[in-house]
Amino acid sequence: QKEVEQNSGPLSVPEGAIASLNCTYSDRGSQSFFWYRQYSGKSPELIMFIYSNGDKEDGRFTAQLNKASQYVSLLIRDSQPSDSATYLCAVNRLGNNNDMRFGAGTRLTVKP
Amino acid sequence: DTAVSQTPKYLVTQMGNDKSIKCEQNLGHDTMYWYKQDSKKFLKIMFSYNNKELIINETVPNRFSPKSPDKAHLNLHINSLELGDSAVYFCASSLDTNQPQHFGDGTRLSIL
Repeated sequence: QKEVEQNSGPLSVPEGAIASLNCTYSDRGSQSFFWYRQYSGKSPELIMFIYSNGDKEDGRFTAQLNKASQYVSLLIRDSQPSDSATYLCAVNRLGNNNDMRFGAGTRLTVKP
Repeated sequence: DTAVSQTPKYLVTQMGNDKSIKCEQNLGHDTMYWYKQDSKKFLKIMFSYNNKELIINETVPNRFSPKSPDKAHLNLHINSLELGDSAVYFCASSLDTNQPQHFGDGTRLSIL
């Protein structure tokens, strides 16, 4: 089992729709969770981070964490073509700065 | 203005050579990292450096050696380059361990 799993996609949604990106992780000791966006040929860019169970909203983005199910998701409302990118889920154990694990990423395409 | 800067952006060299990649951050962060992103776009941590403590991912060959002259710099030196070293190398920094990371633009290393 991979440490951090994401559907590789591609995930395609129409403009204006909600895009739902999912991530599961295997280590129950994981404490912090991040979503990064990476455009082709560019560096990862932080979108959201979440530490506690529940939802965290920032503009059109909502991160959801369920530690019991070892599941973290990212919802993008009112998807725009500019949201088309690869989204990377990253998971870290508290206090262990060399234990950041990235998923393989989900490629999202938002069609106009 | 660039928060995390890496040089060079592109590096083309022959097998067996030794090369270095430089990284500097002006964010005042305490922790810096090196990542490797291979052709399948999988992002994997190589090193982290915090308060003069270097944590090495055990899967990284000892041909790779990070060097930190001060808190704002973490350079990567690679000896005896191999074909499998071809990848994009990202430097990143964070305020502290377990905090969101900010990535540099990456260095694309190609081994001939």
